[in-house]
Formats: sequence, structure tokens, C-alpha cells
Amino acid sequence: QKEVEQDPGPLSVPEGAIVSLNCTYSNSAFQYFMWYRQYSRKGPELLMYTYSSGNKEDGRFTAQVDKSSKYISLFIRDSQPSDSATYLCALDSGSARQLTFGSGTQLTVLP
Amino acid sequence: NAGVMQNPRHLVRRRGQEARLRCSPMKGHSHVYWYRQLPEEGLKFMVYLQKENIIDESGMPKERFSAEFPKEGPSILRIQQVVRGDSAAYFCASSDRGIQETQYFGPGTRLLVL
Repeated sequence: QKEVEQDPGPLSVPEGAIVSLNCTYSNSAFQYFMWYRQYSRKGPELLMYTYSSGNKEDGRFTAQVDKSSKYISLFIRDSQPSDSATYLCALDSGSARQLTFGSGTQLTVLP
Repeated sequence: NAGVMQNPRHLVRRRGQEARLRCSPMKGHSHVYWYRQLPEEGLKFMVYLQKENIIDESGMPKERFSAEFPKEGPSILRIQQVVRGDSAAYFCASSDRGIQETQYFGPGTRLLVL
């Protein structure tokens, strides 16, 4: 079993739709949760960083963490074609200093 | 550009040659991390370095791979006697502190082994 499971997609939605991206994890040592966006042939770009259960909002993006269920989500409101990318969840125990990544979900927002 | 810089962006090597990948962290950052992304897979941690020290190399293959971060100059990931399975994108990230600190990624080096 992988430490972090992420549906690879691909996920295709129309412009303006609400997008839900999810990861589950098995190791309760993970305490810090991140979402990165990666455009084709580019480096990952940090979108959201959270360390507690609950919601964190930043513009059109909302990160949700449920530590009891070991489940994290990223919601994108009013999705735009420029949101088309691969979204990676990344988890950190805080002591190992190595991020554990999901395999990424490929998102396409159609104009 | 104050971001993480990596060069070369693309590197082609024949089997048995050496590959050297360079990473300059963001200004003010003294912690460097290397990750590898194989086709259709997520990023996998390889090694974590501070200036002149390897802190965690638990993700590094035991043979042919080495990394350094000298007092002066960029961090270097070195792959000796490359094989086709080494073909991947190699990403460097940096942070200004070790614990609980955000890692910022460079654009990556895409290594192709013929």
C-alpha cells in the first residue's frame, strides 16, 4: 500500500465548475499538508500549506484536512482554463524533512 | 530571478556516462532537497542537504548516486555510469530552515539516457 493515494485522473471539467481533488494517506505521523500545482514540463508550485484539521481558504482555492479520516482535499471554485495542470498533494511529518507526494491528478478545464 | 535555479534544463547522456545536475537555492536558503520524478509517477525524495552536510540520504540509490552542497557554489547531484532507468526529471527544492518550512521547487533537469 502506498503511503499516499491520489486519483491520477485525468479529470476534465467545463470552465466555471467547482473542482474537487483528493488524497488519502495511511501514516498518522503526517502533520503538514501541501498542495502543489505543476504545469507541463515545469517545477511544482506551492498552492496551499496547512497543518491542522479544518479548512483554509486562499482566493478560489480551499484546502481541507481531516486527520481523523486521513483525508485531504483541494477545492477550486470558478475553475479557469489556466488551472489546467497536474495537482500534487504532499505530506510532511515535520521531523523527516522529506515530502511524500501523491502521484498527481491531471486536470483540464475546458473553455 | 530569486527562485531556485537548476541547470542544465535538459541533459542527454549515453549509457555509462556521468550526469551532473546543478541546483542553486533561493537567495538566503541554506537547505536543499533533491527529488526524482519518473514518468507517470509522483516525486520521490532522494536527499536533503545543508551546506557541507548530508542530513538525510534515505531516498538515494546506494550505488552510482551522490550529492553535495559545498560551502560555496551550487548543490550537485551526480549520477555515475548512467543507465536507461535513470531517465527522469530531477527537481531541486530549497528552504530557509529545516523544520516545518516550505520547500520551493526549481524547474527541474530532464535527463534522458540513450
